[in-house]
Amino acid sequence: DAGITQSPRHKVTETGTPVTLRCHQTENHRYMYWYRQDPGHGLRLIHYSYGVKDTDKGEVSDGYSVSRSKTEDFLLTLESATSSQTSVYFCAISESPGRVGNTIYFGEGSWLTVV
Amino acid sequence: GQNIDQPTEMTATEGAIVQINCTYQTSGFNGLFWYQQHAGEAPTFLSYNVLDGLEEKGRFSSFLSRSKGYSYLLLKELQMKDSASYLCAVLILTGGGNKLTFGTGTQLKVEL
Repeated sequence: DAGITQSPRHKVTETGTPVTLRCHQTENHRYMYWYRQDPGHGLRLIHYSYGVKDTDKGEVSDGYSVSRSKTEDFLLTLESATSSQTSVYFCAISESPGRVGNTIYFGEGSWLTVV
Repeated sequence: GQNIDQPTEMTATEGAIVQINCTYQTSGFNGLFWYQQHAGEAPTFLSYNVLDGLEEKGRFSSFLSRSKGYSYLLLKELQMKDSASYLCAVLILTGGGNKLTFGTGTQLKVEL
């Protein structure tokens, strides 16, 4: 299994509070991704990183920010959580997506409930 | 933008063969992935196609036609444990690197 750890795995928070989810990898991979998964929508890309301090937006980036100050950690922050951000969040990593033999591995997921 | 389509649900019989189709329209195409996801778990990698043709891996095969924007996942000798969601995902090369965009998934139910 790829060395990916997401924390926290489960969290309940109140509307308006800031929340940070952490994705930690031990593979020294270049690419890291954050997705959310909701019924009827599948996996939707929030933000991704292609190197330290190099990040780009995905399709549902509003309300989220990210930080990658070192290779192994990719942080996803909800500045002011809303109920619409209740979801399962998945982190994924890859060294060189698109190169045969390099796949994209997913973490175990973080269940976030905003009440 | 990107558009990835796959059927929402499929049902098949244990021991049979099932084909799950995926069509896509996108610019910057750089390959197509198939993942399997059981309820409450993370997606797990099944296959990756970047060139036209068929890739076979045990009971699972995946096909790609870049000119038609079409792929399928073929599952043979179905088992009850194959009941899961199957996700088609397109890798897109942008100025900022490679991003992976998913379809909404196909829920496969395998029956006796």
